[in-house]
Amino acid sequence: GEDVEQSLFLSVREGDSSVINCTYTDSSSTYLYWYKQEPGAGLQLLTYIFSNMDMKQDQRLTVLLNKKDKHLSLRIADTQTGDSAIYFCAETGNAGNNRKLIWGLGTSLAVNP
Amino acid sequence: NAGVMQNPRHLVRRRGQEARLRCSPMKGHSHVYWYRQLPEEGLKFMVYLQKENIIDESGMPKERFSAEFPKEGPSILRIQQVVRGDSAAYFCASSPGSGTNNEQFFGPGTRLTVL
Repeated sequence: GEDVEQSLFLSVREGDSSVINCTYTDSSSTYLYWYKQEPGAGLQLLTYIFSNMDMKQDQRLTVLLNKKDKHLSLRIADTQTGDSAIYFCAETGNAGNNRKLIWGLGTSLAVNP
Repeated sequence: NAGVMQNPRHLVRRRGQEARLRCSPMKGHSHVYWYRQLPEEGLKFMVYLQKENIIDESGMPKERFSAEFPKEGPSILRIQQVVRGDSAAYFCASSPGSGTNNEQFFGPGTRLTVL
């Protein structure tokens, strides 16, 4: 079945780069997403990548996709304390009407001053 | 352009009562998704609806849960005879529909507590 896995915790120092990793099993995934959730809040889409791309950069965020290994990563450059949150990796197939998102458990990023 | 609206933001129910959660999608969006986030867990898909149609309800528990998205008005997620295990955050998302990257815009969630 479909599955998305992430490491649960990551701790970095302010100013360093953070790399959050995700693996998925659904080879038909067409889009992969990174969402951010701050405590007690909803989900904010940070970025997404289409499956025919291997990299996407958006300001401090860089997404790398290795489709062969089904591995996705999110790099946050110059990590700030405001980046402390839970980061979710999600994927969606595009098989007909199947548009639901399959989620990882989330990586809790702690940024230490 | 208002985002996805959910109400109530917090809902407290006693065991056996009914919970009704509402979601108004973004203007122009005809696709609605409901997800549940149990404490300390990730999100799980529940149901995907278009106007007046349930497209995929594979994540919905077979009993006590139902969802609708009428032609007019918000989408409703209804939980009958709530139990403590229903305590969770319920998130609604909407998207414009086909031919897009399926970007889903999320509401702030309804946090249901069952006493």
